[in-house]
Amino acid sequence: EAQVTQNPRYLITVTGKKLTVTCSQNMNHEYMSWYRQDPGLGLRQIYYSMNVEVTDKGDVPEGYKVSRKEKRNFPLILESPSPNQTSLYFCASRSEVRDTQYFGPGTRLTVL
Amino acid sequence: AQSVSQHNHHVILSEAASLELGCNYSYGGTVNLFWYVQYPGQHLQLLLKYFSGDPLVKGIKGFEAEFIKSKFSFNLRKPSVQWSDTAEYFCAVNTGFQKLVFGTGTRLLVSP
Repeated sequence: EAQVTQNPRYLITVTGKKLTVTCSQNMNHEYMSWYRQDPGLGLRQIYYSMNVEVTDKGDVPEGYKVSRKEKRNFPLILESPSPNQTSLYFCASRSEVRDTQYFGPGTRLTVL
Repeated sequence: AQSVSQHNHHVILSEAASLELGCNYSYGGTVNLFWYVQYPGQHLQLLLKYFSGDPLVKGIKGFEAEFIKSKFSFNLRKPSVQWSDTAEYFCAVNTGFQKLVFGTGTRLLVSP
């Protein structure tokens, strides 16, 4: 089954404790991205990657890092999380042929 | 910068009522347009998309949308809503700059 998976689905952490949210897709898509969803703000892009070892900033990259060492994986790294990063995070991969993004199930992060 | 406006933040309807959700974008060039739906506790799913051709596109679950280029609009419609349509709806635009820009979303509540 074609899908985008994220782990963990829920995470509660404390300020400053490094964390990684994993994202994996099995559709061989080259393009992947991370979004955060906040009430009243919709989805905003954090980072995207057009292929292995190619990443670029989206609209709200501050406080986040990503890496793309393999085509299927695109982890999101918060080196020193802060409470304003409490949000719902979605990973997505895009089909070049269909120009359609497929979203993961989301990760709800709470930073205390 | 490209932007997407969804004017209705919250919509409450009774079952069988007709639905129209507004979406306007700001970009003068060629666009690909999308509507995504997010059911409570779930990830985003594609409802429909417009790339070219017939400006009236039909999607899943009886939804349709009309692209009006002169008005920079892509409004979503459904003739008769059901309780199961309760969800949040997002309009999104891809201008070809490797980024999908989302509107802030419209929460639809359908009362039985």
